Amino acid sequence: QVQLMESGGGVVQPEGSLKLSCTASGFSFSSYGMHWVRQAPGKGLEWVAIIWYDASNKYYADSVKGRFTISRDNSKNTLYLQMNSLRVEDTAIYYCARDLWVGDTRMFDYWGQGILVTVSS
Amino acid sequence: EIVLTQSPGTLSLSPGERATLSCRASQSVGNNYLVWYQQKPGQAPRLLIYGASSRATGIPDRFSGSGSGTDFTLTISRLEPEDFAVYFCQQYGTSSHTFGQGTKLEIK
Repeated sequence: QVQLMESGGGVVQPEGSLKLSCTASGFSFSSYGMHWVRQAPGKGLEWVAIIWYDASNKYYADSVKGRFTISRDNSKNTLYLQMNSLRVEDTAIYYCARDLWVGDTRMFDYWGQGILVTVSS
Repeated sequence: EIVLTQSPGTLSLSPGERATLSCRASQSVGNNYLVWYQQKPGQAPRLLIYGASSRATGIPDRFSGSGSGTDFTLTISRLEPEDFAVYFCQQYGTSSHTFGQGTKLEIK
């Protein structure tokens, strides 16, 4: 079955860096685009970034553009999010999610369990 | 960027009642790009409805989606105890994908 497992979260000081990983199993990872979505404590969902199946395109939310980098290693079935210049407002649970096309519509059909990133001095 | 506004913020109902949740977009959303998710405490979101009105695999038929343009609705025909959760709508853009702020469905 499809599984997504995030890792690499923790506590980091403002202006620090952290790299998240999302390990995929149960499907052909190299055939799917992947997203990062975050959720601040007690708040709603915020889309962060997407990377196409072959890494040919990457897009970011304005709130993280220039600070975060999404990447992937299809040989390792792993998605990454490099987070630099972290701010207190980046504190959130970070989810990876699979991008699915059905006909001409799209959705996030599978999500990881999430990993907490806390930015605090 | 399209902004999605969900209402009400909180909806208090009893099991067996009908729930109607609204998602309004700041500009027109293609019908094929409106999605609904359910999230329970401590869990990741779960896909419910895609393409505004298609149920995802395994989703009971008491859940239905409708709407077009800027106004979309998620309806739960007869609430079961496990349906009390937070519901988010989401739209797919060309290069960004925004969520509504969520509607909390709580037991009255």
